[in-house]
Amino acid sequence: GENVEQHPSTLSVQEGDSAVIKCTYSDSASNYFPWYKQELGKRPQLIIDIRSNVGEKKDQRIAVTLNKTAKHFSLHITETQPEDSAVYFCAANSGNEKLTFGTGTRLTIIP
Amino acid sequence: GAVVSQHPSWVICKSGTSVKIECRSLDFQATTMFWYRQFPKQSLMLMATSNEGSKATYEQGVEKDKFLINHASLTLSTLTVTSAHPEDSSFYICSARGVVSYNSPLHFGNGTRLTVT
Repeated sequence: GENVEQHPSTLSVQEGDSAVIKCTYSDSASNYFPWYKQELGKRPQLIIDIRSNVGEKKDQRIAVTLNKTAKHFSLHITETQPEDSAVYFCAANSGNEKLTFGTGTRLTIIP
Repeated sequence: GAVVSQHPSWVICKSGTSVKIECRSLDFQATTMFWYRQFPKQSLMLMATSNEGSKATYEQGVEKDKFLINHASLTLSTLTVTSAHPEDSSFYICSARGVVSYNSPLHFGNGTRLTVT
């Protein structure tokens, strides 16, 4: 089955700086890679996703890049703000309906 | 669109009792729903795939007789934790896709925090 690794597990960034979270996956059949943001005690919320037919996608301060050859994808948050503090999860499907999640990154934005 | 509602938000029960959690798709029909479990400070682990009108598919290591899943309609799936024990205390979250496509987002319910005393 799919195995998704995520790094780092914790990340502290000065407000206004950029944050980068990286994930690798094992199944070359994976073709969908979403990123979720989860605040304490709440449901995961989709923030951006990318499909395997593109290498990069951007939505305002958030961008995701995908390298299919190396089987890794990354989340980039620019101009970070205190409300960006949360736990972020990457995920990958295995070309099927299931999503396998990474282990999560706790992002803290330092004012 | 693609709103998933889950109930209850939290429940406390005594060891040995059973608890039922409901997951509803409010504005779409979901032939498939997914049940995840999340322990504190850990990732989301898929427990089972709930299929409307048929038996659920459980992930390896998940006891199907302990975690009963029923998906009787296109908008409702239920998870029953039978004979709950303290180690079953966790955050249970259901999810579904608004469209039938493997490369589309999963939308999550608000989760149920189960505490077994």
